[in-house]
Amino acid sequence: QAVLTQPPSVSGAPGQTVTISCTGSSSNIGAGYDVHWYQQLPGTAPKLLIYGNTNRPSGVPDRFSGSKSGTSASLAIAGLHTEDEADYYCQSFDSGLNVYYVFGTGTKVTVL
Amino acid sequence: QVQLVQSGAEVKKPGSSVKVSCKASGVTSSSYTITWVRQAPGQGLEWMGRIIPILGVPDYAQQFQGRFTITADESTSTAYMELSSLRSDDTAVYYCARSGIMAAFDFWGQGTQVTVSS
Repeated sequence: QAVLTQPPSVSGAPGQTVTISCTGSSSNIGAGYDVHWYQQLPGTAPKLLIYGNTNRPSGVPDRFSGSKSGTSASLAIAGLHTEDEADYYCQSFDSGLNVYYVFGTGTKVTVL
Repeated sequence: QVQLVQSGAEVKKPGSSVKVSCKASGVTSSSYTITWVRQAPGQGLEWMGRIIPILGVPDYAQQFQGRFTITADESTSTAYMELSSLRSDDTAVYYCARSGIMAAFDFWGQGTQVTVSS
């Protein structure tokens, strides 16, 4: 059902910067709908990381940043920490399918 | 602080039904939305449907229409999701989440494991 495409995995050494892409289409990201990002640590519920493309909820470190352009969005993690090892999902609204909300395929971030 | 607490794990036989609850606390607005998300083993997140408890009218993802029912009891701030005619591929963790600012899912329940096995 996922209509937002993410790379299956990205990796980096502690302190490095990694970027996760989220590619959509004209019925979701390209239509101007907001993109949100979630972090899911193993065995836990997802946690909101970025909302409205670029905004961080209270308590989320400023190492995490989001951007959006055209039909894509990106999440950057600067100064990678070992505790950032998790699955990350983008999410948006879709007007082309009777599904309303769509998630990305998910990206596993590995800290080397 | 908003908190969503879900009911416990379930083991069900194929063809039966399961009903999972999600009790909200700390919600200051009466017009909040509760969404249900499914995560099959080793898979990603899948949006199933939503309900605004004060209105009681649900929306469903097309692939879940027919077997999936969302209800809510506003008096107890509890939302429910019921899945009928269970199949083995319904085995998953089911999460409830609240839609907050800009419709992002800002608070999540702890998840409920539903296992369908004969």
